[in-house]
Amino acid sequence: NAGVTQTPKFQVLKTGQSMTLQCAQDMNHEYMSWYRQDPGMGLRLIHYSVGAGITDQGEVPNGYNVSRSTTEDFPLRLLSAAPSQTSVYFCASSRGTGWLGEQFFGPGTRLTVL
Amino acid sequence: AQSVTQLDSQVPVFEEAPVELRCNYSSSVSVYLFWYVQYPNQGLQLLLKYLSGSTLVESINGFEAEFNKSQTSFHLRKPSVHISDTAEYFCAVSPNTNAGKSTFGDGTTLTVKP
Repeated sequence: NAGVTQTPKFQVLKTGQSMTLQCAQDMNHEYMSWYRQDPGMGLRLIHYSVGAGITDQGEVPNGYNVSRSTTEDFPLRLLSAAPSQTSVYFCASSRGTGWLGEQFFGPGTRLTVL
Repeated sequence: AQSVTQLDSQVPVFEEAPVELRCNYSSSVSVYLFWYVQYPNQGLQLLLKYLSGSTLVESINGFEAEFNKSQTSFHLRKPSVHISDTAEYFCAVSPNTNAGKSTFGDGTTLTVKP
């Protein structure tokens, strides 16, 4: 199993550009989440999904869109990038039914918005 | 609503000394509690978790944490640290009914010095 994969690893955008961060998991997990990590602020939940076709907002959803058309994929879209979105983004997945408490994290995408 | 407070942002210790990383939480619902570790330029890995049962939980590499319901705390301890334990440690809580909606503390940087 590859676990949770994220692409790209690094990305530089100009203000106003749009892009999609990709996340995929091959563990057949129902739950998937997107977090951003900023220095001294831990991880903050952006959006999450409890299954294909179902998404919900987390703590900091503004400026981001998500969709979940398959169990495996959970892309995060930046509609119009802003410098405040410079951060490291982590995708995570976990079982739903029979959840044993663990989230599995991808390696992260480091995004810089100029 | 739930929140997590990690009481120390940085903890420097000498090798083979004991260490305690402190975590307090608040929640209006029953929660699961976690400690994750993040090594430089990597994603988060689960260190240990409390779901139910015994209030003392242990990891395979010598860390332990004790759930204290009355003090709403989940402090992480290790009796003798190694250089390789140098990393950032995150305390997290999740509602026990929603695997995808975790709240993280701001992190504690543990630096082990020779």
